[in-house]
Amino acid sequence: DIVLTQSPATLSLSPGERATLSCRASQTIGNSLAWYQHQPGQAPRLLIYDASIRATGTPARFSASGSGTDFTLTISSLDPEDFAVYYCQLRSTWPPYRFGQGTKLDIK
Amino acid sequence: QVLLQESGPGLVKPSETLSLTCSVSGDSFTSSYWNWIRLAPGRGLEWIGYIFYTGDTDYNPSLESRVTLSVDTSKHQFSLKLRSVTAADTAVYFCARDRALGAFDSWGQGTLVTVSS
Repeated sequence: DIVLTQSPATLSLSPGERATLSCRASQTIGNSLAWYQHQPGQAPRLLIYDASIRATGTPARFSASGSGTDFTLTISSLDPEDFAVYYCQLRSTWPPYRFGQGTKLDIK
Repeated sequence: QVLLQESGPGLVKPSETLSLTCSVSGDSFTSSYWNWIRLAPGRGLEWIGYIFYTGDTDYNPSLESRVTLSVDTSKHQFSLKLRSVTAADTAVYFCARDRALGAFDSWGQGTLVTVSS
């Protein structure tokens, strides 16, 4: 099975700073990767799919890149509402879907 | 625009069956994969399984022996049954749509299910 490893587990930054989150796959997965933002008590929100395509409504400060095994989500300038848990997610043949363990983005 | 809403008991006894239903309003019922995903305390998101409107299913191998998904196309609903639950199955359960993007673009608000006697 392909394993997704997110790093760091926790990232502490201040509003206005740049955030860089990583997701590494144990095998090459092409560009079949999505990113989600999850605020406590809410439904997760799709930010990015196909590794780099912003979903409808995703602000332009969110960008993502990568292919193969290494993927990155970047938030160019943190807004207070961006502090949340971020998950990457793989679409594969078997099992069809798998999530990383998450990165918690904390206010410093 | 699609809306998803989970419903079902919030408390289930150990060894019993957890049953949830997701009601879908809006279009795309026959062109999307309908999923269940859960978030257990202190853990990350875990995909449980999906069902297509035809009844085709796929399940997480770690849960496959205990899970059954079903669909009622006339009501635009799909359902989850998880048998022989333990405290480890305590989680917020979400239903979510994949309209063949390979990603979940619409989610229900989630429902907390606690397994306890």
